[in-house]
Amino acid sequence: NAGVMQNPRHLVRRRGQEARLRCSPMKGHSHVYWYRQLPEEGLKFMVYLQKENIIDESGMPKERFSAEFPKEGPSILRIQQVVRGDSAAYFCASSQRQGAATNEKLFFGSGTQLSVL
Amino acid sequence: AQRVTQPEKLLSVFKGAPVELKCNYSYSGSPELFWYVQYSRQRLQLLLRHISRESIKGFTADLNKGETSFHLKKPFAQEEDSAMYYCALYSSYKLIFGSGTRLLVRP
Repeated sequence: NAGVMQNPRHLVRRRGQEARLRCSPMKGHSHVYWYRQLPEEGLKFMVYLQKENIIDESGMPKERFSAEFPKEGPSILRIQQVVRGDSAAYFCASSQRQGAATNEKLFFGSGTQLSVL
Repeated sequence: AQRVTQPEKLLSVFKGAPVELKCNYSYSGSPELFWYVQYSRQRLQLLLRHISRESIKGFTADLNKGETSFHLKKPFAQEEDSAMYYCALYSSYKLIFGSGTRLLVRP
C-alpha cells in the first residue's frame, strides 16, 4: 500500500492562474480530507469528501476554492485565480470509513507546496 | 465549539532535559485526542493516541478531563525529537488541530 499520494509535490503559479492539487487516497479508503498549512501556522481543516459527495466544507473559503472526489480518480482541490495569500502547504488525508475504530484515524500525504508569484 | 489550544509556538530545551508540550481542548462529550509529529515539512505522523495509553519514542500523554488537557511529555529530550508537534481532537469525523508547537532540542 503506497499510502496517500499527493501531486505535484511543488506547484508554482502566477497570480490569476489556476492551481489543481491531486490526492489519491490509500487503497480501500473512501474518505478524503484537505488541510491547509500556512507558514508558521497549524493545519486548518478545509473540506471533507466521500466519493462524489462533499460532506463538510466548513473550512473552505467561499470563493475561488472547490474540491471534488469523483467516483473514479483522485480527489482534486482547485484554486482559481490564485493570489499570494494562497501560498501554503496543502495536505490531504484519507480514512477508511467514518468513526472507524482504528488507532490512526487519518493517514496523511506528503503535501503539495503551492507558491504563488 | 470544539477547539484545541497549544499555547507555545516554540519550545527550546537542551538535550537530556525534560519536555512538556501543552495542549488544552474544548469539547462536549468524551474526547478522542492525538499527538501528531511533523519532521522537516514531511507528512504528519501519528505519535500517540490517548486511548492507547502507550509510550512512543519515550513520549507519553495523559488525558486530564478535569483540566481539559492532554500534555505531551518526555523525561529526556533527544536532538532527533526536534520537530513540529500537533495536538488534535477527533470531532465530527475530522481532526481538529492545534496551531502546533515547534520543539527545538539543542545539543
